[in-house]
Amino acid sequence: RKEVEQDPGPFNVPEGATVAFNCTYSNSASQSFFWYRQDCRKEPKLLMSVYSSGNEDGRFTAQLNRASQYISLLIRDSKLSDSATYLCVVNKAGGFKTIFGAGTRLFVKA
Amino acid sequence: EPEVTQTPSHQVTQMGQEVILRCVPISNHLYFYWYRQILGQKVEFLVSFYNNEISEKSEIFDDQFSVERPDGSNFTLKIRSTKLEDSAMYFCASSERLTATNEKLFFGSGTQLSVL
Repeated sequence: RKEVEQDPGPFNVPEGATVAFNCTYSNSASQSFFWYRQDCRKEPKLLMSVYSSGNEDGRFTAQLNRASQYISLLIRDSKLSDSATYLCVVNKAGGFKTIFGAGTRLFVKA
Repeated sequence: EPEVTQTPSHQVTQMGQEVILRCVPISNHLYFYWYRQILGQKVEFLVSFYNNEISEKSEIFDDQFSVERPDGSNFTLKIRSTKLEDSAMYFCASSERLTATNEKLFFGSGTQLSVL
């Protein structure tokens, strides 16, 4: 089983749509969780950290389910500028190594 | 916002040659990392560096790779004898605290290494 697994997509949605991405991780000792965004041939940039209680940042909502080892990202009111690859990222407790999922591609169309 | 700086942005080399990729992490950060991304594939952890030594490395980071912080500001990745399969985008990153404490990574814009 992959350490971090994501549906590669692509997700093709119209502007204004709501879209959700899921991610599963295999190591139950994982400690911290993130969603990063990566534009084509650019560096990853942090979108948001993911907390057990769930958290929201504007149009973005992240959820963590430790029992199911599952993380989600919801994007509401999609914009053209949201088109990117969304990376699910996991760190194990006390570790320096950050594991990236292969990413989910999102295309938002006008 | 402070930035991680990487040079060069592109490096072309012949197979078997040595290359050094350079990075200047954010000045008050204590943890430094190298990642690579082969075209079309995921971002892969290579090595982390803290307190002037390697703190963790992946199975990719074999004897042909080394890292150094020669002068308190630069952080370098050396590949001793490049292979075709080393062709990838290499990202340097830094963080103020340990990422396992929900600390975010700041990435540089990467060095695209092409081995011919």
